[in-house]
Amino acid sequence: EIVLTQSPGTLSLSPGERATLSCRASQGVRNNYLAWYQQIRGQAPRLLIYGASTRATGIPDRFSGSGSGTDFTLTISRLEPEDFALYYCQQYGRSPKTFGQGTKVEI
Amino acid sequence: QVRLQQWGAGLLKPSETLSLTCAVYGGSFSGSYWSWIRQPPGKGLEWIGEINQSGSTNYNPSLKSRVTMSLDTSKNQLTLELSSVTAADTAVYYCASNRYYYDSNGQYYVLPFDPWGQGTLVSVSS
Repeated sequence: EIVLTQSPGTLSLSPGERATLSCRASQGVRNNYLAWYQQIRGQAPRLLIYGASTRATGIPDRFSGSGSGTDFTLTISRLEPEDFALYYCQQYGRSPKTFGQGTKVEI
Repeated sequence: QVRLQQWGAGLLKPSETLSLTCAVYGGSFSGSYWSWIRQPPGKGLEWIGEINQSGSTNYNPSLKSRVTMSLDTSKNQLTLELSSVTAADTAVYYCASNRYYYDSNGQYYVLPFDPWGQGTLVSVSS
């Protein structure tokens, strides 16, 4: 099983600032099948990024993903009020599909 | 655009069987894997398993002995059963799909979970 470790656990920032979230895999992610999701309290996760760096449909360009192999990053260039939420990375290249434990971006 | 709507019993007693249904609107089962994912209160996400249009299943080894997934193609619905539940199975359960496709060279690609159902809270308590 591929274990995904996200850091930091909590990121305290202000609107307009840049957020950098990390996701490290215990082994290489096949085909860089790494996704990022945003979860707002009480809602289902929303897909932001897939294939490590491709934005999903309708996702603003302030969200960007990078990385390959075992190290991946989600960057939010300028935080908007609606971006304060939980973020999860997930690998879907190998079974069982696994998620990181999440990073909370808070004001 | 595919939309998923799910339902099922929200309160169970220990040892009972959890049963959830997810209806697929605006699409068919072909070209996608159909997964169940759960999230205990205040915790992270755990993939339970998946089923494809042919009914082939792939379960998380951590739950494999208790999980059964099935499709009803006539109703465009998928179901999850989890037997012998305990308090540790208390969670919000989501259905989700991930598409796959072949390009012009026959190369296989898979996409992550999108869309998701709205989630169903299942609580296990005596």
